[in-house]
Amino acid sequence: DAGVTQSPTHLIKTRGQQVTLRCSPKSGHDTVSWYQQALGQGPQFIFQYYEEEERQRGNFPDRFSGHQFPNYSSELNVNALLLGDSALYLCASSGYRGQGETQYFGPGTRLLVL
Amino acid sequence: AQKVTQAQTEISVVEKEDVTLDCVYETRDTTYYLFWYKQPPSGELVFLIRRNSFDEQNEISGRYSWNFQKSTSSFNFTITASQVVDSAVYFCALSELGRYSGGYQKVTFGTGTKLQVIP
Repeated sequence: DAGVTQSPTHLIKTRGQQVTLRCSPKSGHDTVSWYQQALGQGPQFIFQYYEEEERQRGNFPDRFSGHQFPNYSSELNVNALLLGDSALYLCASSGYRGQGETQYFGPGTRLLVL
Repeated sequence: AQKVTQAQTEISVVEKEDVTLDCVYETRDTTYYLFWYKQPPSGELVFLIRRNSFDEQNEISGRYSWNFQKSTSSFNFTITASQVVDSAVYFCALSELGRYSGGYQKVTFGTGTKLQVIP
């Protein structure tokens, strides 16, 4: 049973560029959440997708957007990259429409913005 | 608003010592879940335990045990006879449901406690 997978594992971009990160949820899960984890900090909630819709969002600007596909996989897009966007981006999936269920995390994508 | 506080930034213990990681939370909701995750140097968050707000029973799993006390809003984690493989950053997290989150789950993490077990 495959767990949560993310791609790519590492990414280097320059300021102003755009980036797309990808996530495939654990088998049987229908809800995907994205988190940003800066060095030495806890994960910060970006947004959550269920049934291809963003249903909850954290305190992140509109430069951060996402998408969920019919197979429940998801993408996180970040436009106009800033140096401060350098972080580990974690994807988590959960089942039963995400309500109260445990979130299982992928290995993350390490983004470095130069 | 929900909040999780892990006051211990870093802890070092010698192998085989017991260690307790503290977690204090704040929430307006009566229905919520608490979690502990382990993050080894590789970066992936590994789920350890989930506890709902109506279940205050303590839990033991091998060398791990958890103490949930609603009266003090705490959910502490103890590792007995620590091992070098326990070295990692440990995160406590809170998930509110219902009226204050629109019925949808939002998970708030603490800042983590870095545990170093010295051989």
